Amino acid sequence: DADVTQTPRNRITKTGKRIMLECSQTKGHDRMYWYRQDPGLGLRLIYYSFDVKDINKGEISDGYSVSRQAQAKFSLSLESAIPNQTALYFCATSDFSTGGSYEQYFGPGTRLTVT
Amino acid sequence: AQKVTQAQTEISVVEKEDVTLDCVYETRDTTYYLFWYKQPPSGELVFLIRRNSFDEQNEISGRYSWNFQKSTSSFNFTITASQVVDSAVYFCALSASNTGNQFYFGTGTSLTVIP
Repeated sequence: DADVTQTPRNRITKTGKRIMLECSQTKGHDRMYWYRQDPGLGLRLIYYSFDVKDINKGEISDGYSVSRQAQAKFSLSLESAIPNQTALYFCATSDFSTGGSYEQYFGPGTRLTVT
Repeated sequence: AQKVTQAQTEISVVEKEDVTLDCVYETRDTTYYLFWYKQPPSGELVFLIRRNSFDEQNEISGRYSWNFQKSTSSFNFTITASQVVDSAVYFCALSASNTGNQFYFGTGTSLTVIP
């Protein structure tokens, strides 16, 4: 089974609808992240969480919210979806130790289309 | 500010040719980490390598090699004897301790290996 899973894998929704993307991990990592990928723009950080009680905004948090329900679960919500939120969304996790920055492990991605 | 530049948007090579993907980074932090990820056509992001700022040794892993040069703020990736399976988008990323170890991704280089 995959270490980082995302549901749904594909979603088409209408403008104005609320939608939630879910991420679960079995790697035992404390840190979790949400990114969006747009063609030609690479990956941009939306939100990140270093533990259950720690939530931080990333580069492009406007229009999004997150919930860290448990160490293993991190959800991303679009309160009122708009077409320019059409993108590929990735969840990632990482381990961390004092003085180190470890690689991030990514889920398979969720392709979201807002019509 | 942290920034990663991958100036090569798209590269095409014929199978068995060598190819180098460039990555230039900017950071004022003295402790930072550099990463390469591969995104094949299937869409997942695969971690390839991590290098910290105190280790400028080049690394070789099979047909892959990485050249880290602090003097030019570059972390270039070379594929030797390219194969069709190397066709993918490759991302370089930077993580620095003074920004909470957030990842900053470049915009990616799309590599096509022609059989």
